[in-house]
Parts: sequence; structure tokens; C-alpha cells
Amino acid sequence: GEDVEQSLFLSVREGDSSVINCTYTDSSSTYLYWYKQEPGAGLQLLTYIFSNMDMKQDQRLTVLLNKKDKHLSLRIADTQTGDSAIYFCAERPQTGANNLFFGTGTRLTVIP
Amino acid sequence: KAGVTQTPRYLIKTRGQQVTLSCSPISGHRSVSWYQQTPGQGLQFLFEYFSETQRNKGNFPGRFSGRQFSNSRSEMNVSTLELGDSALYLCASSAAGTGGPEQYFGPGTRLTVT
Repeated sequence: GEDVEQSLFLSVREGDSSVINCTYTDSSSTYLYWYKQEPGAGLQLLTYIFSNMDMKQDQRLTVLLNKKDKHLSLRIADTQTGDSAIYFCAERPQTGANNLFFGTGTRLTVIP
Repeated sequence: KAGVTQTPRYLIKTRGQQVTLSCSPISGHRSVSWYQQTPGQGLQFLFEYFSETQRNKGNFPGRFSGRQFSNSRSEMNVSTLELGDSALYLCASSAAGTGGPEQYFGPGTRLTVT
């Protein structure tokens, strides 16, 4: 079955870059997603990448995908205190349905 | 465009009762998925509805059910509530084949079972 893993915590200083990592097991995944969750809120879609892409950049966000190693990363440039939140990666398996499998989430703390 | 809305935002119920949660997707989206989020199990997929039909189902007991209406609004029902059903219930809206792969989540309904 699908298994998505993330490290639990990451602390960075304001202005530095943050890199959040994720590994997954389903080699037939079609899309991989990054979501942000702030306290008491739902999930905010940050970005996604199609499985045949290596990289996607969107303003301060860069997603890297290593399909061979089943490794996904999210880089946040110039990290701000407002970026403090829990970040989830998720994969969508190639089953024709919309269900997502989520990682455990990485709590990012930005130190002023 | 309005986002995904969920009602109510908070609920407190007693063991043994049943509860109905509602989700209105983004206008034009026909797919609604439901997820349960708990500290212990994380985010788990419950089911997906597309054009009023359940298209996919996660590994939850039959006490969890749902439906979708012709306007794409969806409800989920949990019968005979247990303490372990306390969670944040999230729904996600997607264009599902008629648009991109984006899935947008609502703010969630926080259910507390006492």
C-alpha cells in the first residue's frame, strides 16, 4: 500500500531557506502535492507536481522530484514567520480516483 | 470564486448519537472527497463522491457514510458515535477530469465526542 513519510520537525531562521523532505512508496503516483496547515485551519494547497516532471518553481516555492528514489522536497526561499505551519506532502495514486495519501506532516518553526 | 465551505465548524456530540456534516464544493467542481484528521492517525481518506456516486472508499467502518446531491454538495454521516470519532473532518473539492488535478480543502468541521 501507499506509505508517505516526512520528518516531524524543522526549525529555520527568518530569511533562510527551508527544505522539507518527503518519501513515498507508490511508483505509479500521478501527482504529488504540498499542503500547508495553520493552527485551527484546513489545508491550503501550495503546489503540486506531475510525476513526469523533475522540478516546479512557483514564486518562493521550489519542488524537486526524484522519481527513481521516490523523494520529493519543498524548498521555501526567504522563509518568513508567517511560513510557520505544518506542511504535508501527499500522493495521488494512479487508480483513476481522487483520493490522496498524506504524510505525517512536518512542523516548520521560523525563528525571528 | 468562493472556496470550499463546511458546516458546522464545531460540533459536540455524545457517544451513541449520530451526526451529519455538510460540504459545499467550489462552483463547477463535481468531486468531493472526505478526510478524517486525528493526532494519532493523521489524515485518512474516507470516501469520494463524483456526480452523486461514491467513486472510492477508504478503510472505515460502515458507520461512516456519505452522499452527494445534484448540485455537488455533499454530506457525511457518522452513526453510533464513538470517542475515537473525535477528529477534524475535512472535505476536498476537485474538478476531477474536467479541469486540473488541484484539490482544495475546506476549513473543516471539528467534531468532539464526549
